[in-house]
Amino acid sequence: DARVTQTPRHKVTEMGQEVTMRCQPILGHNTVFWYRQTMMQGLELLAYFRNRAPLDDSGMPKDRFSAEMPDATLATLKIQPSEPRDSAVYFCASTIGTGGYEQYFGPGTRLTVT
Amino acid sequence: AQSVTQLDSHVSVSEGTPVLLRCNYSSSYSPSLFWYVQHPNKGLQLLLKYTSAATLVKGINGFEAEFKKSETSFHLTKPSAHMSDAAEYFCVVSEGTSNTGKLIFGQGTTLQVKP
Repeated sequence: DARVTQTPRHKVTEMGQEVTMRCQPILGHNTVFWYRQTMMQGLELLAYFRNRAPLDDSGMPKDRFSAEMPDATLATLKIQPSEPRDSAVYFCASTIGTGGYEQYFGPGTRLTVT
Repeated sequence: AQSVTQLDSHVSVSEGTPVLLRCNYSSSYSPSLFWYVQHPNKGLQLLLKYTSAATLVKGINGFEAEFKKSETSFHLTKPSAHMSDAAEYFCVVSEGTSNTGKLIFGQGTTLQVKP
């Protein structure tokens, strides 16, 4: 049963620290998305990649967030420095292509910045 | 531009009674539409999808949805609610003809199931 995996599942850190979240998309999926979910804002798209190339990161605060795909099996989202307002659940999702395909979501990383 | 509106932020039903979660969409072309479910502290799981085949779509766990172009609606139904159906439900539309793969999410409907 192919699944998107994310690590860590939970992260508590102090303000100013660097946070790195990792995602392994489903094998063969060429498009990867990063979302952030909060009670106030709901689900927000941060960035996404196709064939490892970034296509859109307009949803990301550029000064502190960065997203990369070092290879086809790993996507990373980094926050440096972290702030309390970054506390949220971060989801990774992958899909096989474009044109209305469904996305498969990982279990999320719950980030708490104190 | 594509958009989706979930008409109820919260729905409460009794166990064993029907469920209706309402969703209207806006799209300038024939969209792909989805319903996702999110149980507490879990990721989003695909319930069902419509991609211009049959207008009545059956999903997992007894859920189904009907695509009505004339009403621009894609309501989610289930004949008999179970306690395990209590969750957040998202109506979703594919972005558009640019083939980005992006999805547009509704604000979500919280389904409460009372014993």
